[in-house]
Amino acid sequence: NAGVMQNPRHLVRRRGQEARLRCSPVKGHSHVYWYRQLPEEGLKFMVYLQKENIIDESGMPKERFSAEFPKEGPSILRIQQVVRGDSAAYFCASSPRKLLGIEAFFGQGTRLTVV
Amino acid sequence: DAKTTQPNSMESNEEEPVHLPCNHSTISGTDYIHWYRQLPSQGPEYVIHGLTSNVNNRMASLAIAEDRKSSTLILHRATLRDAAVYYCIPLIQGAQKLVFGQGTRLTINP
Repeated sequence: NAGVMQNPRHLVRRRGQEARLRCSPVKGHSHVYWYRQLPEEGLKFMVYLQKENIIDESGMPKERFSAEFPKEGPSILRIQQVVRGDSAAYFCASSPRKLLGIEAFFGQGTRLTVV
Repeated sequence: DAKTTQPNSMESNEEEPVHLPCNHSTISGTDYIHWYRQLPSQGPEYVIHGLTSNVNNRMASLAIAEDRKSSTLILHRATLRDAAVYYCIPLIQGAQKLVFGQGTRLTINP
């Protein structure tokens, strides 16, 4: 039973390019969460999706960032026109339903470096 | 969201018990208390959660104060692998996300 799979594990992009981060949740999980962790800082919530719907995007920057979780396939976090400040570790988590009283499973993250 | 207070850092020795405190004085009666940890260069991992009574699992124990304003995560015999940042996270009814604070950075000495 595979856990949350994120790919790529490491991604290098030049300023102005697009970054696509993929997250395959645990099989059967329909809730996906994205977090960002800047170097030497804490985990910040970005967005919560439930199959084809964005439920909470209160932590997403207003521009250049978007997320989707299609009916089929992985969840995608897309960053357009990356800047140096986007360099961070991006973690995805999944759960079978809302989190109260249950465990969320996290992936190993994608480390984005913008050069 | 309920506010939490955790020590920034703690240190312990290998094979000794570790008690990690968390104050969550604004928690309400139906809020669960979840603990996660993040090992170096890894994603967070679930440790344990509870509501009112003490809880045990293979990783740790969670002792919840009678008034629920604080809790303590107990690692019974710390190993070097337990060195991580530990997060105490109250989850309210209808909560849709985990909100991570600064956590407690636990160092284990050999």
